[in-house]
Amino acid sequence: DTGVSQDPRHKITKRGQNVTFRCDPISEHNRLYWYRQTLGQGPEFLTYFQNEAQLEKSRLLSDRFSAERPKGSFSTLEIQRTEQGDSAMYLCASSPTGTFGYTFGSGTRLTVV
Amino acid sequence: KNEVEQSPQNLTAQEGEFITINCSYSVGISALHWLQQHPGGGIVSLFMLSSGKKKHGRLIATINIQEKHSSLHITASHPRDSAVYICAGQGAQKLVFGQGTRLTINP
Repeated sequence: DTGVSQDPRHKITKRGQNVTFRCDPISEHNRLYWYRQTLGQGPEFLTYFQNEAQLEKSRLLSDRFSAERPKGSFSTLEIQRTEQGDSAMYLCASSPTGTFGYTFGSGTRLTVV
Repeated sequence: KNEVEQSPQNLTAQEGEFITINCSYSVGISALHWLQQHPGGGIVSLFMLSSGKKKHGRLIATINIQEKHSSLHITASHPRDSAVYICAGQGAQKLVFGQGTRLTINP
């Protein structure tokens, strides 16, 4: 297992377009987290999954954002009708249930032009 | 108001200097993580602390539960230590991050 993998690494899109990011966690990890990081700031929580169940969503996650983890393995984060304010690094992390050991992906950097 | 506050935001030092980065957190945080983020975005977990002190190589992390304060120290700093260091509090189900400290070590 090579860790948490995110795809794509970089995405440039025009305002109003939809984008989808993928995260493949470490296979034994039940928990999967999405965070968003803007320039010069620490990451902010977006949502997390325990297996396939989405257990918590931040109020930062507007109606334009949706995340899924259909089979409890990989997860996707979709942003519809992108806005310039969505430009950020989107980070995925996973952890086993019952521990606080996190492994982070390298992130997807989104630029909305 | 963020539940996790870090200082300083930026730190520049000369190679060999002893570095300290501080982190204060609020109630509801059960453990404290120190993370390192290099340009390009990838985050590496350095330590997780719920009490006392941990050491790994030239890195030392301490936590004072009563004062809700943690520090990350780097001894004999080196230019390759240049990165953003982030403390993150463990909430009930998720991490709450500080803003990060951008550390630059000059040769």
